[in-house]
Amino acid sequence: SQQGEEDPQALSIQEGENATMNCSYKTSINNLQWYRQNSGRGLVHLILIRSNEREKHSGRLRVTLDTSKKSSSLLITASRAADTASYFCATDRNIQGAQKLVFGQGTRLTINP
Amino acid sequence: GAGVSQSPSNKVTEKGKDVELRCDPISGHTALYWYRQRLGQGLEFLIYFQGNSAPDKSGLPSDRFSAERTGESVSTLTIQRTQQEDSAVYLCASRSDRGHGYTFGSGTRLTVV
Repeated sequence: SQQGEEDPQALSIQEGENATMNCSYKTSINNLQWYRQNSGRGLVHLILIRSNEREKHSGRLRVTLDTSKKSSSLLITASRAADTASYFCATDRNIQGAQKLVFGQGTRLTINP
Repeated sequence: GAGVSQSPSNKVTEKGKDVELRCDPISGHTALYWYRQRLGQGLEFLIYFQGNSAPDKSGLPSDRFSAERTGESVSTLTIQRTQQEDSAVYLCASRSDRGHGYTFGSGTRLTVV
């Protein structure tokens, strides 16, 4: 399959708790990106981590990348109801000379007030 | 424009009819991608345009699907003889040669009845 895998498929937590989502992939990558999608429509780019980086922060988001294990995690701290959405990881890779973004199946995150 | 624009935002069509979806990328972005997203699933790569190079059509699911792009401007995705299995959100993204960031449109939700 060209797609990565994310777990869990669904996550439900209480507001204020931290949410951790994981992503695994199979091939070498240029970078890995996390996106959020509300209501099954447009994707919002959250954060990009390059293949030579191990950790990156943006506000309440923390992303890690372990290229030896071909895995990444997205941590959302102090979650809010507005964080309820689907979260996708995507690997940016060169496939037969073409630069492409390959998506995982996503994690549906629900923040309960 | 400031973002990627897709039209129509919603399309309901009868089985067997042809549909045409449109994507206006960000001005100056040489790369343009089409993805399909079925309900509750991740994004499936369909086709990729890079400048004046031959498009990468490796993701098109059948010969009923085709896409065109004139230079670095508008792209149209055409689905002929639509089937119910074609019901999905079709997302377009564009990318600049100078960076790794992909910008997505809001998508076209296609429903085949």
